Amino acid sequence: DVKVTQSSRYLVKRTGEKVFLECVQDMDHENMFWYRQDPGLGLRLIYFSYDVKMKEKGDIPEGYSVSREKKERFSLILESASTNQTSMYLCATRKRYRGYEQYFGPGTRLTVT
Amino acid sequence: DQQVKQNSPSLSVQEGRISILNCDYTNSMFDYFLWYKKYPAEGPTFLISISSIKDKNEDGRFTVFLNKSAKHLSLHIVPSQPGDSAVYFCAASATTGANSKLTFGKGITLSVRP
Repeated sequence: DVKVTQSSRYLVKRTGEKVFLECVQDMDHENMFWYRQDPGLGLRLIYFSYDVKMKEKGDIPEGYSVSREKKERFSLILESASTNQTSMYLCATRKRYRGYEQYFGPGTRLTVT
Repeated sequence: DQQVKQNSPSLSVQEGRISILNCDYTNSMFDYFLWYKKYPAEGPTFLISISSIKDKNEDGRFTVFLNKSAKHLSLHIVPSQPGDSAVYFCAASATTGANSKLTFGKGITLSVRP
């Protein structure tokens, strides 16, 4: 079974703070993704990484950056948190050449006040 | 412009009846489609998928139908159960091979009444 964990289930930060969200997977998957889910907007792709040290922008990368120094770990960084970044953040992974399915972590509910 | 559309935000059905969740897409390059189910405070879980070379795929109570000419797919749940109450996301992929990614719709909230 694929296990995808996220560092926090709930997080409250203040405007302007630097925020780190971490995702760890134990199944040797090459591809990793960060999404945010907002009511009425569905799942939107922020950034993805095809492999270690590789990253590509998704549909809404503004205000975010990522880091993938190790295969099992993919970090999402909010350089200066703003209230419009209050959201549910979801990490997903995929095994290269093994179908299209992505496997999701439990999510982090981030509130920026 | 949204490439995967789930135009109905919610659906309510009686337990035991059929639930039909619809999804439309605009990108003719999409060649693989997936449905995910999401409970509150949990990550989405994969439910069922279909390749563009097929028009139907069935897994237990869940069946997905694909109409390529209409760029439309639907998820049928028969019979519906209260535990099926969740948000359902339709997703599509246009890339194959090593590094595919998914485009998701906005989701449909299904409520199954006991």
